[in-house]
Amino acid sequence: AQSVTQPDIHITVSEGASLELRCNYSYGATPYLFWYVQSPGQGLQLLLKYFSGDTLVQGIKGFEAEFKRSQSSFNLRKPSVHWSDAAEYFCAVVTSGTYKYIFGTGTRLKVLA
Amino acid sequence: NAGVMQNPRHLVRRRGQEARLRCSPMKGHSHVYWYRQLPEEGLKFMVYLQKENIIDESGMPKERFSAEFPKEGPSILRIQQVVRGDSAAYFCASSLLGRTGGRGSEKLFFGSGTQLSVL
Repeated sequence: AQSVTQPDIHITVSEGASLELRCNYSYGATPYLFWYVQSPGQGLQLLLKYFSGDTLVQGIKGFEAEFKRSQSSFNLRKPSVHWSDAAEYFCAVVTSGTYKYIFGTGTRLKVLA
Repeated sequence: NAGVMQNPRHLVRRRGQEARLRCSPMKGHSHVYWYRQLPEEGLKFMVYLQKENIIDESGMPKERFSAEFPKEGPSILRIQQVVRGDSAAYFCASSLLGRTGGRGSEKLFFGSGTQLSVL
């Protein structure tokens, strides 16, 4: 069965530090991969997505993610975190031709001033 | 260009009452999806609807839950005789197309959710 694992429930970083949020998926073929961010009281906003092509994907707000097939991973990175990045981040996968997104359990990011 | 609109933002019900959650998709979108987020969990797919049709309700609990997307008006998720375990955030999403395409242009747009609390 398809699944998405986000091993880190909570992460705390200092403002200006680099960030990496982990995401591993389980699926036989190449999936479509997404990272969403959920700020308190808000809906999910798409940060970036990977469908095919270049395995390093650039997103909004300075985020990027790298698809590594050999590791079944799609980790989210940002070189310098801002206080406004504090939120919950969800990795999601969907298979070609379907619409059922499978979400990880999320990573809650706290940013220290 | 309004996004996906959900109301109410917060809904409080007592056990045994009915909860009705509304979702208006983005303009031009005819595909609606409902997801449920239980505490400390990720979002779980519940149901996929097109106008006047339920396409896939494989994620819906077998009893008490129903969804509709009429020709006119918003999509409605209805929970009858609510229980405490129904307390969760319910998110609606919409899309232009119902299937992910090879060009990678398809994506879901999510609303801000309805937080249901059952007392």
